[in-house]
Amino acid sequence: NAGVTQTPKFQVLKTGQSMTLQCAQDMNHEYMSWYRQDPGMGLRLIHYSVGAGITDQGEVPNGYNVSRSTTEDFPLRLLSAAPSQTSVYFCASRLGGFNQPQHFGDGTRLSIL
Amino acid sequence: GENVEQHPSTLSVQEGDSAVIKCTYSDSASNYFPWYKQELGKRPQLIIDIRSNVGEKKDQRIAVTLNKTAKHFSLHITETQPEDSAVYFCAASPTGTASKLTFGTGTRLQVTL
Repeated sequence: NAGVTQTPKFQVLKTGQSMTLQCAQDMNHEYMSWYRQDPGMGLRLIHYSVGAGITDQGEVPNGYNVSRSTTEDFPLRLLSAAPSQTSVYFCASRLGGFNQPQHFGDGTRLSIL
Repeated sequence: GENVEQHPSTLSVQEGDSAVIKCTYSDSASNYFPWYKQELGKRPQLIIDIRSNVGEKKDQRIAVTLNKTAKHFSLHITETQPEDSAVYFCAASPTGTASKLTFGTGTRLQVTL
C-alpha cells in the first residue's frame, strides 16, 4: 500500500515548456486534489476531482489542466510554464463523503527558469 | 469563498512549555477543521481534526478547541518536545464542497532546549 505517489520529485523547466506532474493513489479514494505551496501562503487548491470523469477548478486554476480517466490517477498538466508557477506541488486524496481526512503525496518541487 | 487566518506566523517556546496556535474562518457553513504538521521538505500530515458538532478534542499532548459562534478554532500542544518543531497549518471545509479545504498560511513552531 503505497498511498499517494507523485512523480517526479524535482523538475526544472524553461519558460514556455509544457509538462505533466503525475499522481497516483492505491487506496480507492474517490476524491483527489492538486495544491501548490508557496512560501508564506499555505496550500492553495488548483483543481480537484470527485470521481473518474469529473473535475472542477479550485482557487488558482489558471495555467493548469487536469483529467481523471481512472480512479487511481490524477495528472496535472502545465500548458506553457511561467516563472510564477515555480512552487511545490502536492497531490492529495481522500474517501468520499463529508469530513474525511486528506492524504498527501511527497510533493513535486518545480522550478521554472 | 472561505477565508482562513492563522496566528502567529512564528512561535518559539521552550521544551516542556505549551504552544497555542489560533485560526479564524469566515464561512459559517464550514464544519470540518483539520490541523496538519509539515516538517521541512516533507508532506503535510494530519495530526488532529474536529467537526462542528464537537467543542473540543484531545489526542495525548494535542488538543483542538472550536468556537462556532466566534468562528475560531485553536491547536494546543502541551509539554512540547524538540520533535514538535515544524510548520502547522489549520484548514476549514464547508459542507458539501468535496475536497475544497481552505488552508491558513501556517505557523512555524520552534521548540528550544
